[in-house]
Amino acid sequence: GAVVSQHPSWVICKSGTSVKIECRSLDFQATTMFWYRQFPKQSLMLMATSNEGSKATYEQGVEKDKFLINHASLTLSTLTVTSAHPEDSSFYICSARLAGLETQYFGPGTRLLVL
Amino acid sequence: AQSVAQPEDQVNVAEGNPLTVKCTYSVSGNPYLFWYVQYPNRGLQFLLKYITGDNLVKGSYGFEAEFNKSQTSFHLKKPSALVSDSALYFCAVREIHNAGNMLTFGGGTRLMVKP
Repeated sequence: GAVVSQHPSWVICKSGTSVKIECRSLDFQATTMFWYRQFPKQSLMLMATSNEGSKATYEQGVEKDKFLINHASLTLSTLTVTSAHPEDSSFYICSARLAGLETQYFGPGTRLLVL
Repeated sequence: AQSVAQPEDQVNVAEGNPLTVKCTYSVSGNPYLFWYVQYPNRGLQFLLKYITGDNLVKGSYGFEAEFNKSQTSFHLKKPSALVSDSALYFCAVREIHNAGNMLTFGGGTRLMVKP
């Protein structure tokens, strides 16, 4: 099946620093990638939809200047949490969708802890 | 607007017994429906989907789900539960003509299978 990786899997950083999370589709080309955030014991909340070569579409309430998304190629999307604060601590999950198909395949997630 | 409801926060079942995890949805048109499973500190794994065709969909690990249009439900089932099935299960929906390809997730149901 389609494999999606995320790096890093864990990150601990100081408040005020920026953190970049990578999402890669390893064995397929993903025209669309999605970024989700999941709080403990809660469901996934879509943050943004990223299409290769174009600007990401952010969901209401998600600050685009805070969460920078770049989808420079068909196999890589990055999420940068700028000037991270403790309230940004969460589990961030990406997914990728094969062109022309409906199923989204999810990465293993990145746990961010901002001290 | 599209929405998903998983009415049970937790389902408890004994190993070897059948299990059902409930899901109901709401969309303005026809739905694409998905089930995903999440193990602790991991991303989501795709289990099965309904796009069109037979209402009974068979997926990974012996799971199946039945699409019921009149009841707007897509309950997940397995004839004989395993302890290793214990995890968090998410139902998701996308309306067919949703141009953004956005999935909406239910709140999740924790399945506990006891030996």
